[in-house]
Amino acid sequence: QKEVEQNSGPLSVPEGAIASLNCTYSDRVSQSFFWYRQYSGKSPELIMSIYSNGDKEDGRFTAQLNKASQYVSLLIRDSQPSDSATYLCAVNSLYSGGGADGLTFGKGTHLIIQP
Amino acid sequence: DAGVIQSPRHEVTEMGQEVTLRCKPISGHDYLFWYRQTMMRGLELLIYFNNNVPIDDSGMPEDRFSAKMPNASFSTLKIQPSEPRDSAVYFCASTAVSSYNEQFFGPGTRLTVL
Repeated sequence: QKEVEQNSGPLSVPEGAIASLNCTYSDRVSQSFFWYRQYSGKSPELIMSIYSNGDKEDGRFTAQLNKASQYVSLLIRDSQPSDSATYLCAVNSLYSGGGADGLTFGKGTHLIIQP
Repeated sequence: DAGVIQSPRHEVTEMGQEVTLRCKPISGHDYLFWYRQTMMRGLELLIYFNNNVPIDDSGMPEDRFSAKMPNASFSTLKIQPSEPRDSAVYFCASTAVSSYNEQFFGPGTRLTVL
């Protein structure tokens, strides 16, 4: 049974600070990792994907992957009130470029950016 | 470019009625996924298609649920008969084989079964 664990929060971070979101997964063969942002009443929106150990940066977002520890994180720099949302971690066992498959999602971390 | 389109956006029905949810994937995407989201269970995969062929339906909760994809631009998820425990938000997502499994979600259908 594949499992993806996230702290449900809420995680409260002051505006301008760094928000750190964490995710662990149980399936050692997982190869593809994704972060989605979901505003209340809206659909999940893909914000980051990562496939190799290390860091991947995109604007204010940095995804970090450590396959040995089965750990994925998302850092949001210079947090803004508009970043307040639920962040979903998702994993998949396919290698990048190996087609597509259903994602296994965590239940999400509710992030609140305090002005 | 249009994203994933789902209809209806909201559906309220009574127990025992048939419900049909519809999805149009992003043009050119060859994978289509149906997910269900509830507070208790989070976001769960129900079924997915590749080139209109069902690949994995192990997430479909029971025989009351069925899904079809008659062509590359249309899919349906049908619940017959519906039960109150089917109340959830149903999302459709799509991706292309060249997109490294980055899936893009539609706006969802909020289903309430009374």
